[in-house]
Amino acid sequence: SAVISQKPSRDICQRGTSLTIQCQVDSQVTMMFWYRQQPGQSLTLIATANQGSEATYESGFVIDKFPISRPNLTFSTLTVSNLSPEDSSIYLCSVGFVRGSTDTQYFGPGTRLTVL
Amino acid sequence: QKEVEQDPGPLSVPEGAIVSLNCTYSNSAFQYFMWYRQYSRKGPELLMYTYSSGNKEDGRFTAQVDKSSKYISLFIRDSQPSDSATYLCAMSRVKTSYDKVIFGPGTSLSVIP
Repeated sequence: SAVISQKPSRDICQRGTSLTIQCQVDSQVTMMFWYRQQPGQSLTLIATANQGSEATYESGFVIDKFPISRPNLTFSTLTVSNLSPEDSSIYLCSVGFVRGSTDTQYFGPGTRLTVL
Repeated sequence: QKEVEQDPGPLSVPEGAIVSLNCTYSNSAFQYFMWYRQYSRKGPELLMYTYSSGNKEDGRFTAQVDKSSKYISLFIRDSQPSDSATYLCAMSRVKTSYDKVIFGPGTSLSVIP
């Protein structure tokens, strides 16, 4: 499977500021995904980031709040803008990966964000 | 109705027990089914991946999919304390590497030595 790293692993931010999360993969992948996991809840897809095109956002998520970059096949960033306490969550990137008969997504370790 | 339902637990079993985890779903378009394990403060780790209906076994883990009932299961044999984690069922409509994955809320499992 792909090895995925995220930076930072955690951060505490003030209301109104922004946080940029980096996701790095050790192999080239076409599709990268950003998910949010709110406290006590499951994962919800924010957007899909395909290299060379604009990110595709899910209902309820907008580019002004969650701008995404995908400059190459191994790297992506998610920015959470104009932070409010409701943005306190774990943010995870995943990559689409095919190995043999398994065609699935592998996840990074997550970034734990706390907004004060 | 949520797309994917899963009993959140918590589920507590003695070491060596057989564990049964289940999910139901409402969208008949789902074709790819997964189970992820998530330890506290870690990202989800893929455990099992199946396509369409049927069974798949990998070591102590068996995944079952019944598309006619919209029901999937994960069985853990000879459970170990190291199996203590949250188990997330997940599914997608088309090939997962390209598609949005819908997750269940997760079942918290504790295996007591």
